[in-house]
Parts: sequence; structure tokens; C-alpha cells
Amino acid sequence: GAVVSQHPSWVICKSGTSVKIECRSLDFQATTMFWYRQFPKQSLMLMATSNEGSKATYEQGVEKDKFLINHASLTLSTLTVTSAHPEDSSFYICSARVVGTGYEKLFFGSGTQLSVL
Amino acid sequence: DAKTTQPPSMDCAEGRAANLPCNHSTISGNEYVYWYRQIHSQGPQYIIHGLKNNETNEMASLIITEDRKSSTLILPHATLRDTAVYYCIVRPRIQQGGKLIFGQGTELSVKP
Repeated sequence: GAVVSQHPSWVICKSGTSVKIECRSLDFQATTMFWYRQFPKQSLMLMATSNEGSKATYEQGVEKDKFLINHASLTLSTLTVTSAHPEDSSFYICSARVVGTGYEKLFFGSGTQLSVL
Repeated sequence: DAKTTQPPSMDCAEGRAANLPCNHSTISGNEYVYWYRQIHSQGPQYIIHGLKNNETNEMASLIITEDRKSSTLILPHATLRDTAVYYCIVRPRIQQGGKLIFGQGTELSVKP
């Protein structure tokens, strides 16, 4: 089946530094990728929609200058948490979308646990 | 996406069937019922989806009521590895923009 690789699986960083998370579709080209954030004991919250070659669309309340998204190819999207602070500590998950004739499929990465000290 | 209502948590004995309900009384005619699950500290996993007929695959069965206002996901022989949060989502088969919005889900605990 289709695989979405997310890297790193976990990262610890100091407050004020930036962290980049990669999301790759390994055996297919994704027309769209999505980024979610999940706090403990809560559901996934959609942060932004990323389309290859265009600017990401952010959900209401998500700071686009803090969460930089780059989608340079049909198989790679990156999320950079800039000037991370402890409140940014969370589980970040990406998803890749494939659309065909009469169908749509969504595949998820395994997530990245970010801990900001 | 139409709103869904699920119980926040359920327990199930290992080896028994787990029946997870979902209410979606405002579902539209073109919306399907999708089920995903998320095992702790992992990404969500697709389980099954259906429009109006009952569906079965290697993971689970999906029973949709005739009026389509509710559905039940059935794990026929639950194992400890089925402990997860299960999300019921209603959306068109091809969603404009492709967004998948998660509700609160049901936390299923399978106990020995």
C-alpha cells in the first residue's frame, strides 16, 4: 500500500530554535498534503493545506509566519516550526492526498513528537 | 463535513466483538461514512467506508442504518492491538479541497 514517510519521529529542541519536519510520499505523487497538530488527549487539528508549487492555506488561528510550509515537489512537503516555544510542543502529523477518477485516498505519516525545552 | 457524535470511550473484552456507534443525523445524500483509527502516538489509519450498504473488509464491518442517520463499526474479534481512538467522519467521496476533519472519536480499550 501507499506509504507516507514522516521524519523525524521525535525531536527535542531548545526554546527559540527552529525545527523542520519532512513528509514524503514514497511511492506515489500527492496532489495535496495536509498538516495536523495534536495535543495530548485531544483530537487531530488541521493546521494547513499544502499544494505543490503554491502557497499553503492555513486554518483560522494558525500563524503562517510561525508554521512555515514548503511544498516543492509532488512527493515532499515540509513544516518548519520557527522560534519554537514550549507551547509548540505537540504531535505533528502529515497526510497526503491522491485523487483519481471517481476516488480520493488519504494516507497519513506516523507523526513527529516535538518537545520544546 | 457533517457533524458526528460518538461516545467518548468504550471497553471491550479481548476476543469479543467491539461495536462502535456513530450518529450522523445530518448526513447529506452524497456523503459517505468513513472510519479511521489512531493507535497511541501513531498517525491515523483508514479502516473502512460506505455509502448506504453494509461493508466488510479484512479489518472490520460497517453497518449503516437504512435512514443513514447512524452507523456501527464492528471489530469481530477484538485484540489488545485494537486499543485505539476510533474516528467516524462523514464527507463526500471526493471532498473539494480534500480536507479531512476529525471529531473527538471513541477511545476503545480492549482488555484481557
